[in-house]
Amino acid sequence: ETGVTQSPTHLIKTRGQQVTLRCSSQSGHNTVSWYQQALGQGPQFIFQYYREEENGRGNFPPRFSGLQFPNYSSELNVNALELDDSALYLCASSLDSTGGLFFGSGTQLSVL
Amino acid sequence: AQSVTQPDIHITVSEGASLELRCNYSYGATPYLFWYVQSPGQGLQLLLKYFSGDTLVQGIKGFEAEFKRSQSSFNLRKPSVHWSDAAEYFCAVGASSNTGKLIFGQGTTLQVKP
Repeated sequence: ETGVTQSPTHLIKTRGQQVTLRCSSQSGHNTVSWYQQALGQGPQFIFQYYREEENGRGNFPPRFSGLQFPNYSSELNVNALELDDSALYLCASSLDSTGGLFFGSGTQLSVL
Repeated sequence: AQSVTQPDIHITVSEGASLELRCNYSYGATPYLFWYVQSPGQGLQLLLKYFSGDTLVQGIKGFEAEFKRSQSSFNLRKPSVHWSDAAEYFCAVGASSNTGKLIFGQGTTLQVKP
């Protein structure tokens, strides 16, 4: 068990709605990265937070946003949901920016 | 462009047989390379990683991988596959300065025949 927990495990939303996904990092890890994994694909990097500041972003529009809190928990927010946002969203934490990633089990988001 | 290619989408091997999963990468700087495994409905578990040094790296669950710079490859191997190894395997590459921003391959699904 990696110690990275995500909630909820499953979520169903309709197009145009907003969603917040949550992640609790492994104890002591100050870096969190979020990934989107579409069905049959490898994970794609959304963004990373280090000490509560965004520290890099992948090719995702601004309606994907995040927060990291002092206790190293974090959120991924997606506004104006689109059908193509349906995917498994993975949170991963690391001790610092040069260590290996430890992944949570993900949140499966379905947009109808 | 930076990318990772896993040429085999699906591989089937018999239990006890050897396994090799291929991974080729395209990366401008010195790559940090990883192999992850994902069971259905689960997150990714790190099998092994290569940062520098010995090009043959050992991981968990009896897996190993060899970094070949001249071939831009980082193939994963296991001498004897167990039924519990059936899963999705992902190769990934990242920068030395930030291994949280990984580029993943499309994955290889491993099926194990009894």
